[in-house]
Amino acid sequence: EVQLVESGGGLVQPGGSLRLSCAASGFTFSSYEMNWVRQAPGKGLEWVSYISSSGSNIYYADSVKGRFTISRDNAKNSLYLQMNSLRAEDTAVYYCARVTAFDIWGQGTMVTVSS
Amino acid sequence: QSVLTQPPSASGTPGQRVTISCSGSSSNIGSNTVNWYQQLPGAAPKLLIYSNNLRPSGVPDRFSGSKSATSASLGISGLQSEDEADYYCAAWDDRLNGPVFGGGTKLTVL
Repeated sequence: EVQLVESGGGLVQPGGSLRLSCAASGFTFSSYEMNWVRQAPGKGLEWVSYISSSGSNIYYADSVKGRFTISRDNAKNSLYLQMNSLRAEDTAVYYCARVTAFDIWGQGTMVTVSS
Repeated sequence: QSVLTQPPSASGTPGQRVTISCSGSSSNIGSNTVNWYQQLPGAAPKLLIYSNNLRPSGVPDRFSGSKSATSASLGISGLQSEDEADYYCAAWDDRLNGPVFGGGTKLTVL
């Protein structure tokens, strides 16, 4: 079964850091580009970051550029999002999603930025 | 404000056909394909339509998509109670160099 499972969310203070992980299974992870998408409570979807299958191409939304870093480990079938200088407006459920068509989504992990 | 514009709500009775619109610009819908997602309450989004009008395996043919110039639409025929969900459109934006979403449409089955 094709599956994505996120982890690493939690409560963090403004200015703090958090690292999210996404474990992939059921498909050849190294062949697929991956994304992070977030959804603030009661709000719509917002694309956060993209990484190509090899990791050589990376893009970020302007709202997180310079603060978030996407990476992947194809040997471990894992995708990561390092989030630094977190702000209250980063509070959201964070999903990993496969390819730019977002054909497969994880269940999401909640990140709450609050003092 | 979302880059793509959707009506915040839509409704219909069981068996009816409803249409949800998605309006963009030349840098997104006008030059790239459109995808649609269904998000049931408390669940992750699910790909419903890709490349303007194609359905992934397992999606009923009651769901259809179309695109014209800088607008797209999602059609749902034979409306069922389980179709009650939020629906989002998305497309790559050449100017922003990333995917953009509509604000979402909450579909209510009366």
